[in-house]
Amino acid sequence: AQSVTQPDIHITVSEGASLELRCNYSYGATPYLFWYVQSPGQGLQLLLKYFSGDTLVQGIKGFEAEFKRSQSSFNLRKPSVHWSDAAEYFCAVGARNTDKLIFGTGTRLQVFP
Amino acid sequence: DTGVSQNPRHKITKRGQNVTFRCDPISEHNRLYWYRQTLGQGPEFLTYFQNEAQLEKSRLLSDRFSAERPKGSFSTLEIQRTEQGDSAMYLCANQDLYNEQFFGPGTRLTVL
Repeated sequence: AQSVTQPDIHITVSEGASLELRCNYSYGATPYLFWYVQSPGQGLQLLLKYFSGDTLVQGIKGFEAEFKRSQSSFNLRKPSVHWSDAAEYFCAVGARNTDKLIFGTGTRLQVFP
Repeated sequence: DTGVSQNPRHKITKRGQNVTFRCDPISEHNRLYWYRQTLGQGPEFLTYFQNEAQLEKSRLLSDRFSAERPKGSFSTLEIQRTEQGDSAMYLCANQDLYNEQFFGPGTRLTVL
């Protein structure tokens, strides 16, 4: 069955520190992979996506993610976190026929000044 | 702002009442999805439309739930005989030609 695991429920970092949010997926073929961010009271915003090709993808707000097929992972990274990055981050896998998204349970990021 | 709007933004209802939510997507995008998000969880797929055709429904969608997308434009999600377990955020998403889904702000349902 298709699934997404985000092992870290809550992460706290200092402003300016680097960040890595983990995502592991289970899917029968090469999946579409996404990272979304959700701020309190806001809708989900797409940060970046992977469909094929270069396994290192760049997104908005200085985020990047790397697809590692051998590890079934799609971890999100940012070299220097800003206080405004505090939010909930969701990894998702998309089914290639229906394109419905299967989300992980999310990682809440807290940023200290 | 993704261009996807949802109304109402908040709905409080008593158990047993019927509720209807509306989603107005970006007009030129053909696929429309409904998800449900409960506290502390990621969104869960409910159903989706390709134009006006409803192509898949999740097991989460009991007989009390129905969704429509007349003429392939806006969509409605109705819950009949609401239960406290229906309390959640209901999200609508519209997919573009590049397989990106743009989410609306959601409708938060509270069933008392």
